[in-house]
Order: sequence, then structure tokens, then C-alpha cells
Amino acid sequence: NAGVTQTPKFRVLKTGQSMTLLCAQDMNHEYMYWYRQDPGMGLRLIHYSVGEGTTAKGEVPDGYNVSRLKKQNFLLGLESAAPSQTSVYFCASSYGDRPYEQYFGPGTRLTVT
Amino acid sequence: TQLLEQSPQFLSIQEGENLTVYCNSSSVFSSLQWYRQEPGEGPVLLVTVVTGGEVKKLKRLTFQFGDARKDSSLHITAAQPGDTGLYLCAGARDNAGNMLTFGGGTRLMVKP
Repeated sequence: NAGVTQTPKFRVLKTGQSMTLLCAQDMNHEYMYWYRQDPGMGLRLIHYSVGEGTTAKGEVPDGYNVSRLKKQNFLLGLESAAPSQTSVYFCASSYGDRPYEQYFGPGTRLTVT
Repeated sequence: TQLLEQSPQFLSIQEGENLTVYCNSSSVFSSLQWYRQEPGEGPVLLVTVVTGGEVKKLKRLTFQFGDARKDSSLHITAAQPGDTGLYLCAGARDNAGNMLTFGGGTRLMVKP
């Protein structure tokens, strides 16, 4: 099993450009999450999904959109990138009955210039 | 202001020493997790504690959940260079079990 995979691993965007980050999991997890990690701030939840076709806002949702069309995939979109969105983005997934035990992907390092 | 405060933020010790990392909050959590993250990788779950006063041991690592479920500690005995990494605590609250709040992390370096 590959677990949780993320593409791409690195990306550089110019201010105002858009992009989509893809997360895939092969563990049949019901829940999926997108976090951002900034130095000294741990991980902050952007959006999450408790099932196919459902999404919800986390702690820092502004400037991001998500979609979960298939159970195994969770997409994070930036419509108009800003330098403040420079960060490392992590996707995670979990079973619905143990949502606090999350499995993380390797991360995507995004730089917005 | 973070709900979960970790201390210390940085720790550099020699191989064989013992250390304790703290995770404190004014909020009550239904469960608390400890993760370890290595450079260029995502966090990996080490342990979950759910009962106030609970103590769990994982080889040389001992995890404790405070009686009031507001704080936790991670103690490493005889640290090894392989323990080097970023240690993160994360808490789930009763009314939002699927949303974790992470601490800022403790970066540990164990020198040979």
C-alpha cells in the first residue's frame, strides 16, 4: 500500500496564479484533511471531508477551496495565490471511528513569489 | 495564540541523556496524540492517550495524559541519534473529534 500520496512535491507560483494539489489514499479511509505547516506554528487545518461529496472548513480556510468527488481523492485549490500562502501543505486521512489518528502524506512545498 | 503550547521549542542533548517534552493547554481534550516528523516527511503517529492520568510506554518513550486532560508529557529515556526530529502534540476536543489542534512542536537533536 502506498498510504497517502501527494502531488506535486514542490511548486513555485507567481502571485495571482492558480493551482490544484492532489491527495490520494488507498486505505479506504472515510475522512480526509488538508493542513498547512509554517515554522513554529505546528499544523493548521484548512479544510476537511468526512465523506465523498462533503467538505467543511477548518481553522484557516480563506483563499482555498476543496473537492472530494471520489472517496480516495481530496483536492486542494488555490484560485489566486498570495505570498502568505507560501507553506508546506500536508494531506491526511483517517477512519471515521478514530478521526484523531491521522495518516499523513509527504507534503507539498509551495512558494508564492 | 495556540491552544496547545509545547515546551521547550528546541532541545539539543547528548546521546544517552533523558529528556521530557511538555504539551499544555487551558482546554480539555477528549484525546491527545503525539506525532514525530522527520525533515521532508509528514508526521507519523506515535501514540494516542484518551483517559485522564493514562500512561503509555513505547520502548524508551513514555507518554502521560494529565488527570484533567489538559496537558501531556513525553519522556525519552537514554536518547539516541535516531530520536532526532520534530515532536508534535495534537488534541481532539469532545465536540469536534475529527478536528485536531496541533502544538507548535519541539525540535529535538540528539548528538552522538
